[in-house]
Amino acid sequence: GAGVSQTPSNKVTEKGKYVELRCDPISGHTALYWYRQSLGQGPEFLIYFQGTGAADDSGLPNDRFFAVRPEGSVSTLKIQRTERGDSAVYLCASSSFRQGVDEQFFGPGTRLTVL
Amino acid sequence: ELKVEQNPLFLSMQEGKNYTIYCNYSTTSDRLYWYRQDPGKSLESLFVLLSNGAVKQEGRLMASLDTKARLSTLHITAAVHDLSATYFCAVDPALTQGGSEKLVFGKGTKLTVNP
Repeated sequence: GAGVSQTPSNKVTEKGKYVELRCDPISGHTALYWYRQSLGQGPEFLIYFQGTGAADDSGLPNDRFFAVRPEGSVSTLKIQRTERGDSAVYLCASSSFRQGVDEQFFGPGTRLTVL
Repeated sequence: ELKVEQNPLFLSMQEGKNYTIYCNYSTTSDRLYWYRQDPGKSLESLFVLLSNGAVKQEGRLMASLDTKARLSTLHITAAVHDLSATYFCAVDPALTQGGSEKLVFGKGTKLTVNP
C-alpha cells in the first residue's frame, strides 16, 4: 500500500511569507506526527495528532507555527511570517498501535528554504 | 527532559569489519527505535525494541536494548558498502502502555563503509 506522502517536496519562499505543508498519512493510521530536521541533526518533534485533535503540540517553536487535521486524515502544517531559521526539512509520520507495537512510518519530507 | 546521545557521530570503516554504535538515553523508557537515513531521503525503520533484553537481527545488523543501563547498541557485522548511511536511535518517553506519542532522536551516526 501507499506510504506517507508529503507535498510539496521542495518549497522556496521569502522571509515574511506564509507557507502550508501537506501530509497524507498511511490509510487507517490514527496518529500523525510532524518533525523538523535541520542539516546534520536528528528530527525534532513538533506536534502529534490522535484523530482530529492535537494531543501534544509542545514542540511547536512559537505561535507562528500551527497545524490542523480537520478530518482525522490529511494534516497541514502552517507557518506564518517565515524566518530564515525556519529553513529545514519538515517530516511527517503516521502510526497505528497494533498488538502492542507502535511504529512511526515517515514520509519523504518537505525541504523548506526561506530566503 | 529526555536526552538521547549517540556515539560515535561519524564512523568510517572498511568492508568486512565489525563495529558497534551506542545509544544512551537519560530517563526511563522501554521503547527504542532504530532508523536508517540515506542522503536526501527520509527515515527507514530498522528495529523496534520494546522491552529490556530485546534483541533483533536483520541481515548484518543487530540491535539490543538494556533498559536498566538506558543503553541500546546497533552492531554491524562484516560491513558492506551498501550499509553506508546515517543511523538514528530514537526513544519514546511515554511511560504508559499504549501508542507512541513522540520520539526523541539522537544526532545520528554517519557511517561510511569503504571498499
